[in-house]
Amino acid sequence: RKEVEQDPGPFNVPEGATVAFNCTYSNSASQSFFWYRQDCRKEPKLLMSVYSSGNEDGRFTAQLNRASQYISLLIRDSKLSDSATYLCVVNRRDDKIIFGKGTRLHILP
Amino acid sequence: GAVVSQHPSRVICKSGTSVKIECRSLDFQATTMFWYRQFPKQSLMLMATSNEGSKATYEQGVEKDKFLINHASLTLSTLTVTSAHPEDSSFYICSASGTSGGESGDTQYFGPGTRLTVL
Repeated sequence: RKEVEQDPGPFNVPEGATVAFNCTYSNSASQSFFWYRQDCRKEPKLLMSVYSSGNEDGRFTAQLNRASQYISLLIRDSKLSDSATYLCVVNRRDDKIIFGKGTRLHILP
Repeated sequence: GAVVSQHPSRVICKSGTSVKIECRSLDFQATTMFWYRQFPKQSLMLMATSNEGSKATYEQGVEKDKFLINHASLTLSTLTVTSAHPEDSSFYICSASGTSGGESGDTQYFGPGTRLTVL
């Protein structure tokens, strides 16, 4: 089993819809969690950190469920510019950084 | 947010030559820098982790004599691909973490990447 798993997608979602995807992690010693966004042939860019209490940034909401060992990302009122690959990143207590393979999102006009 | 630059952004070289890629943190001190490689349609693969002033820690399967990493200062790390071959053609991305204002030291900031093509 991979340490960080994501549904690769693609998720094809009409503009304006709400989309959510999860990322599961297997190492309970994981301590920090992030969502990155990566556009085609570009570097990943930090979208948001994920906190136990959940956090929201505009149309984006991230949640962490330590008991079930998953993090989620919810995008409301999706826009064409949201089309990208979303990478789940987990930092372990031993400072090892694990990337998920990413979930591809296509927003359809 | 913190800014990380990478140079060059694109390089084409002949097989057997060496290529040096620079990664700089522009507005913060990067205590740790990471080097990744990404093949088309694949996720990032960590190659090595370097802490300023010490030897890099390489991931399993990454040849340290082929991919030389130097992290001489808190703002600069270099990756040298020695005796490059066509199979080394890839997108090389660095990232840096450190403290910048109120940001957590866990947060990684990525450079824009270097696309290496070896002919």
